[in-house]
Amino acid sequence: EVQLLESGGGMVQPGGSLRLSCDASGFTFTYFAMTWVRQAPGKGLEWVSGISGSASSTHYADFVKGRFTISRDNSKNTLYLQMNSLRAEDTAVYYCARLLSALVETPGNRFDYWGQGTLVTVSS
Amino acid sequence: SVLTQAPSASGTPGQRVTISCSGSSSNIGSNTVSWYRHFPGMAPKLLIYMNNQRPSGVPDRFSGSASGTSTSLAISGLQSEDEATYYCAAWDDTLNAWVFGGGTKLTVL
Repeated sequence: EVQLLESGGGMVQPGGSLRLSCDASGFTFTYFAMTWVRQAPGKGLEWVSGISGSASSTHYADFVKGRFTISRDNSKNTLYLQMNSLRAEDTAVYYCARLLSALVETPGNRFDYWGQGTLVTVSS
Repeated sequence: SVLTQAPSASGTPGQRVTISCSGSSSNIGSNTVSWYRHFPGMAPKLLIYMNNQRPSGVPDRFSGSASGTSTSLAISGLQSEDEATYYCAAWDDTLNAWVFGGGTKLTVL
């Protein structure tokens, strides 16, 4: 059974940093691209970042470029999101989601499994 | 949002409802769309992929279609448990990013 378990959320002051983790199990981790998607309070789903199965390519939404870094450790089946220079508008539940193929941008791709999410609150 | 959805929709039990999603040539016009159902506090769930394909386990009450730069999700035989927010998503070739619709909150009256 595919399972994705996020952790690392919490409260942080503006300008601070957090690192989110997503522990994956039930599938061959390196075969699949992984992504982070967030949902701010009262708002819709918003894609944040994605990384290929081999970690050779990464993609970011414009609003996090230069501040967030996605990475993965395929030996530990874990996805990460390093978040720096956090802003109040980054407050959201952050979900990790698996993409069906090894590349983020493959035609016909979709988010086939999602975690339960971890809450990040940026506030002074 | 890059993809446009109506913020709300409603229907009565047994009815058929359609939720639309419109985009542009760089996303829906050139890539396939997937649809997700999201209950508050839960993990989103994949309902439709490649515009009109259902993953195993998704009832055939759910169907998708696409034409040009628009796509839609239809739910027939509406049930109270269908009350949720529905999102469309597609890869955008210009942004080099995944984009979501703003979500349509479906109410079963």
